[in-house]
Amino acid sequence: QVQLQESGPGLVKPSQTLSLTCTVSGGSISSGSYYWSWIRQPAGKGLEWIGRIYTSGSTNYNPSLKSRVTISVDTSKNQFSLKLSSVTAADTAVYYCAREDTLGEIWGQGTLVTVSS
Amino acid sequence: QSVLTQPPSVSAAPGQKVTISCSGSSSNIGNNYVSWYQQLPGTAPKLLIYENNKRPSGIPDRFSGSKSGTSATLGITGLQTGDEADYYCGTWDSSLSAGKVFGGGTKLTVL
Repeated sequence: QVQLQESGPGLVKPSQTLSLTCTVSGGSISSGSYYWSWIRQPAGKGLEWIGRIYTSGSTNYNPSLKSRVTISVDTSKNQFSLKLSSVTAADTAVYYCAREDTLGEIWGQGTLVTVSS
Repeated sequence: QSVLTQPPSVSAAPGQKVTISCSGSSSNIGNNYVSWYQQLPGTAPKLLIYENNKRPSGIPDRFSGSKSGTSATLGITGLQTGDEADYYCGTWDSSLSAGKVFGGGTKLTVL
């Protein structure tokens, strides 16, 4: 059974780059036809889609974040990652990674990232 | 302000049925599949419905989804206290600002 686990610093300073990794277990990140996505949720608020990368390597990003976001895959580590540059307090949220295919979605448990000096 | 509009809250008694609406436009719900998610307190969202009305393996048939025009509806029958959660709709938006969009979420209270 495929599982996803987010990891990365829980505290990032303003103007720096937020970097998170999603480790995939129970299956290969390079097999099949999947979208590997990042979604975030500020405390007490709703979900915001950040972007995704397809198995082929093509990416889609939220237009409101596109200038600051990079999503990539590391097949050797069975991981995919999120980089969000020039962060501010408004980027404080729980960040989720997810896998999406034609049969549904699997989400990680999420990781809290706080932007503060 | 979310692209998709959901009621902030709904409530019903155990055993009863409840519906949650999700309203959008032709650039999102009108021309794309809708998904529904359940988020229990302190946990990650879980997919309940995909492609408007399909249930992933393991989701009971008490949960159902439908779509008509630019709106979608999640139905839950035989309400249980364990169904108390936040529910979100989501879909792709094909406008110039293309991307996945979500509703603001609906808090379900089982009285």
